[in-house]
Amino acid sequence: AQSVAQPEDQVNVAEGNPLTVKCTYSVSGNPYLFWYVQYPNRGLQFLLKYITGDNLVKGSYGFEAEFNKSQTSFHLKKPSALVSDSALYFCAVPNDYKLSFGAGTTVTVRA
Amino acid sequence: DGGITQSPKYLFRKEGQNVTLSCEQNLNHDAMYWYRQDPGQGLRLIYYSQIVNDFQKGDIAEGYSVSREKKESFPLTVTSAQKNPTAFYLCASSRKQEHNEQFFGPGTRLTVL
Repeated sequence: AQSVAQPEDQVNVAEGNPLTVKCTYSVSGNPYLFWYVQYPNRGLQFLLKYITGDNLVKGSYGFEAEFNKSQTSFHLKKPSALVSDSALYFCAVPNDYKLSFGAGTTVTVRA
Repeated sequence: DGGITQSPKYLFRKEGQNVTLSCEQNLNHDAMYWYRQDPGQGLRLIYYSQIVNDFQKGDIAEGYSVSREKKESFPLTVTSAQKNPTAFYLCASSRKQEHNEQFFGPGTRLTVL
């Protein structure tokens, strides 16, 4: 079965600093990979996805993700974090038309 | 939260009662899903449906039931058999192809009193 893992429960950064949220994957064949964000008491919002092609994927709200096949990683990045980026982030992988999610990483950006 | 609505936003239930959570989408998506989210945990799949009048159990279907009589609607019933129903419930929809992203509703927070 396809799966993803998020090795960090929490990430804390200062506003204006780079933000990285880590995700590793275990899939057979060519992977499809997703990133979602969840603000408190809200549903998940789609940020970006990797299907094939360029290893650097650009998404919503200034986020991007780098697909690295040799390291089986798909880390989410933002060059300059904002306080409003504080949220819960999930990476996900399709599994027979369902999505399997990582456990999530809570990002806190301090002013 | 796209074109998916969930109601109610908050729901309180007494032990032994069944409750039904509503999910409606106007995105013309074939597939719909129900997830449960607990604090400190990721999302766990309860049921999913890829087409009208057909649905499959997810990872934690025990104590839940669903129906898919219309393309736009996928209600979830939390039965009295669900021993720990207090959670945040999220509905989602997508096109059927594997690489298509899912769109989520705003969620329903269910609390058992």
